[in-house]
Amino acid sequence: QSALTQPASVSGSPGQSITISCTGTRDDVGNYNLVSWYQQHPGNAPTLILFEVNKRPSGISNRFSGSKSGNTASLTISGLQADDEADYYCCSYAGSRINVLFGGGTKLTVL
Amino acid sequence: QVQLQESGPGLVKPSQTLSLTCSVSRGSISSNGYHWSWIRQLPGKGLEWLGYIYYIGSPYYNSSLESRLMISIDTSRSQLSLTLSSVTAADTAIYFCAGFSLIANHAFDIWGQGTMVTVSS
Repeated sequence: QSALTQPASVSGSPGQSITISCTGTRDDVGNYNLVSWYQQHPGNAPTLILFEVNKRPSGISNRFSGSKSGNTASLTISGLQADDEADYYCCSYAGSRINVLFGGGTKLTVL
Repeated sequence: QVQLQESGPGLVKPSQTLSLTCSVSRGSISSNGYHWSWIRQLPGKGLEWLGYIYYIGSPYYNSSLESRLMISIDTSRSQLSLTLSSVTAADTAIYFCAGFSLIANHAFDIWGQGTMVTVSS
C-alpha cells in the first residue's frame, strides 16, 4: 500500500494562513471521512490535532481546520505562530484490509 | 489519561529479532474500542504504521512487514509487544506505541514517547 502524498515543505509568515494537502485514492481518503492530522515537534511524539477530517480534540486551537474534496484532504492553519513550526502528518483509515495509511509528512517553516 | 511507555534493547544486530514492549498505565489495555498499535519513524523520515491489535481478536499488520512481524497483547500485564524478525539496517527507527480509537475518532489519540532502535553489528 502506498503512502498518502503530502508536499515536503510549506512556509508562511506569522499571522498568515497555510494549507497542507494530503492526496490518497478512492480506496482510502476518498472512501472514508476518517482522515486525521498530527503535529510533531522535533524530538517529540506526534500529537493529534484533527480527526474525522475536520474535528478538533479538546484543547486544540480553532486555528487548525480541515476539509476534504474527493481523494484529497487538507489541513489549514490560520494566524500562523512560531510554535506552529513542526512536521505535519495526515493519516487515513483505509478499511479492514489495509487499515491505516500515513502521509509522508510536511515540514512547516514559520518565516 | 492513559499513558504508554515503550521499552526495548536500543541496539540489535542484523539478522536478529527485535523485541519491544509497551506498558499501558493509568487506564485499561482492555479499553473499549482501542486498537493498540505500533508505528515507526525511520531517521529523518515519516511515520509508518506497522500494525495493531484489539485486546480480544487477531492483530492486523502492514502487509509490507507481515512476514516478519508479530504483535501481541498481555492483558494481565497491561502490555503490548512487538517482535520483528530478521532485522536489517533498514529497520533502524524510533518505534512508537499508540492507541487507535476505532469507536471514538478513528485516530491515534494516545502516544508513547517512542524508543530508538538501531540495527548494527
